[in-house]
Amino acid sequence: AQTVTQSQPEMSVQEAETVTLSCTYDTSESDYYLFWYKQPPSRQMILVIRQEAYKQQNATENRFSVNFQKAAKSFSLKISDSQLGDAAMYFCAYRSPYSGGGADGLTFGKGTHLIIQP
Amino acid sequence: GAVVSQHPSWVICKSGTSVKIECRSLDFQATTMFWYRQFPKQSLMLMATSNEGSKATYEQGVEKDKFLINHASLTLSTLTVTSAHPEDSSFYICSASPSGGAGPYNEQFFGPGTRLTVL
Repeated sequence: AQTVTQSQPEMSVQEAETVTLSCTYDTSESDYYLFWYKQPPSRQMILVIRQEAYKQQNATENRFSVNFQKAAKSFSLKISDSQLGDAAMYFCAYRSPYSGGGADGLTFGKGTHLIIQP
Repeated sequence: GAVVSQHPSWVICKSGTSVKIECRSLDFQATTMFWYRQFPKQSLMLMATSNEGSKATYEQGVEKDKFLINHASLTLSTLTVTSAHPEDSSFYICSASPSGGAGPYNEQFFGPGTRLTVL
């Protein structure tokens, strides 16, 4: 079974600064998908960024980027130019590859509460 | 596109009663839907995988007789909490995967969640 670990229960950053959220995972699979989700107070899960394990290039979505280190099983999220709207719980998630027999559910880390200081 | 709805958004029930929660994919067909539970200030835990036209697959530790899942159509899955007790109070979130996958990531789209309070 796969496990996802987020070691930072809470992080705080000044508005406009950069913050990095850490995530490590454990798996015996060679191909898989990794995700970062944002959960604001509304509780709606919002996909922030995703990465496929066989792609060496780190994913980037505007102010959000990841540092994917496959050998170290590390998948950190960097948020640049932090904005007040970035305040939320951030969850790192793992999913096995689509096998054709049906999709697999996500395994989530415990989350990091991100606070943006104005 | 790719909108998933849940109904109700909030329900309060008495201990011992049953509650049904609906999850609908509004603009796509979903062969597979997932049900997650989230306790306050905790992460999402996968409860079960719901496949259209077949029995749900439950994660270890989840009582299948207590959490009944039905996926009768490609756009609707229901979760029924039977004989609910206060410890079942939680936030229940569904997600749906489009039939045939959604690109290489086979993305899951999440519903807004249902808050269940059992008195």
